[in-house]
Amino acid sequence: DAKTTQPNSMESNEEEPVHLPCNHSTISGTDYIHWYRQLPSQGPEYVIHGLTSNVNNRMASLAIAEDRKSSTLILHRATLRDAAVYYCIRAIYNQGGKLIFGQGTELSVKP
Amino acid sequence: DAGVTQSPTHLIKTRGQQVTLRCSPISGHKSVSWYQQVLGQGPQFIFQYYEKEERGRGNFPDRFSARQFPNYSSELNVNALLLGDSALYLCASSLAGLAPNEQFFGPGTRLTVL
Repeated sequence: DAKTTQPNSMESNEEEPVHLPCNHSTISGTDYIHWYRQLPSQGPEYVIHGLTSNVNNRMASLAIAEDRKSSTLILHRATLRDAAVYYCIRAIYNQGGKLIFGQGTELSVKP
Repeated sequence: DAGVTQSPTHLIKTRGQQVTLRCSPISGHKSVSWYQQVLGQGPQFIFQYYEKEERGRGNFPDRFSARQFPNYSSELNVNALLLGDSALYLCASSLAGLAPNEQFFGPGTRLTVL
């Protein structure tokens, strides 16, 4: 299963917006895009997901390109607690809902 | 409400041995998935079980097996352990099997194979 592609690391300043990019050029029409984040010594935590339309929730926004080959996770105001590894994921629902994780982007937030 | 729980938290085994890892999903969740996370990499999907049936399998050898019980808890078994099986094993539960639901992950079991 083809994985998504993300920058290895990104840096942000506290209280500034963060845009985390993801490339998923081989995604199929039925695959959802999920984002999870993982803090050290913890399991991944759900952030947001979408199929075609842009999505907003209390944690973040997800902007999906019209051709669905890329997406961007937007944290509107980064806090120190947002420092984590962020995974952009293909969710394959005709194969039992499995999540295909990429390498992730390690986000650091400077005060 | 309790989250996903996994036991044990840490485990040390030697090559060739067998191991059983346990997972209790969030109350009301009928789907359990297992993932392997090697240090420095993203988690890799191993299995998904929904309503006690296997619904998805990742690219892992037959040494890996799992089952789900009537109370929706699950066990992951790994036979003939190899050094490369050393990893964090994560369990995730969700409400339904095939819908794009949020998956809730447990803290994982850290397996070390010597």
